[in-house]
Amino acid sequence: DIQMTQSPSSVSASVGDRVTITCRASQDIGSWLVWYQQKPGKVPKLLVYSTSILQSGVPSRFSGSGSGTDFTLTISSLQPEDFATYFCQQSNSFPWTFGQGTKVEIK
Amino acid sequence: QVQLVQSGAEVKKPGSSVKVSCKASGDTFSRYAIGWVRQAPGQGLEWMGGVIPFFDTANYAPKFQDRVSITADESTSTAYMQLSSLRSEDTAVYYCATFYRNLFESWGQGTLVTVSS
Repeated sequence: DIQMTQSPSSVSASVGDRVTITCRASQDIGSWLVWYQQKPGKVPKLLVYSTSILQSGVPSRFSGSGSGTDFTLTISSLQPEDFATYFCQQSNSFPWTFGQGTKVEIK
Repeated sequence: QVQLVQSGAEVKKPGSSVKVSCKASGDTFSRYAIGWVRQAPGQGLEWMGGVIPFFDTANYAPKFQDRVSITADESTSTAYMQLSSLRSEDTAVYYCATFYRNLFESWGQGTLVTVSS
């Protein structure tokens, strides 16, 4: 199985800050990387797929980059509604695996 | 876009089985594969398996291969996930989601399964 490792596990930030979350795959997954956002008590929401393509309706302050084994999700200017946990998922090969999550908290 | 509505919370004894349903509406059920993902309390997401309703074929994560059965009934636009030999570690919220392009797009509301003696 491909292991997905996110860092940091949590980050404290203020509204307006730039936040970067990293996801590392245990082997090359090309550009087959997906990001989800999950707010407390809510269902995960698809944010980004194929590393950098924003799902319809996702604000442009979100961006994704990377390839191979190293990927990042960046929030250019953190908004109050962005405080949540973010998960990466490799969509390269079966079985589909997720990172352990990065919680973005209010500073 | 499809909407997924799951069955209600369950409390089960260790060693028993649970069957969770996931009913689709709003689009043609057979257009989508349905995946099942679980989330233990305070933990991350874990893919369990999925089904392609049109072909009624399923595949499973190796970890769950021996204990899970995922099926679909096109006549009622409903997918099912049955997990057997339950143990306390199976306490989690179980989600169904449409699975397309190897990602999970539309999610059900989740079903809490509590395993306790």
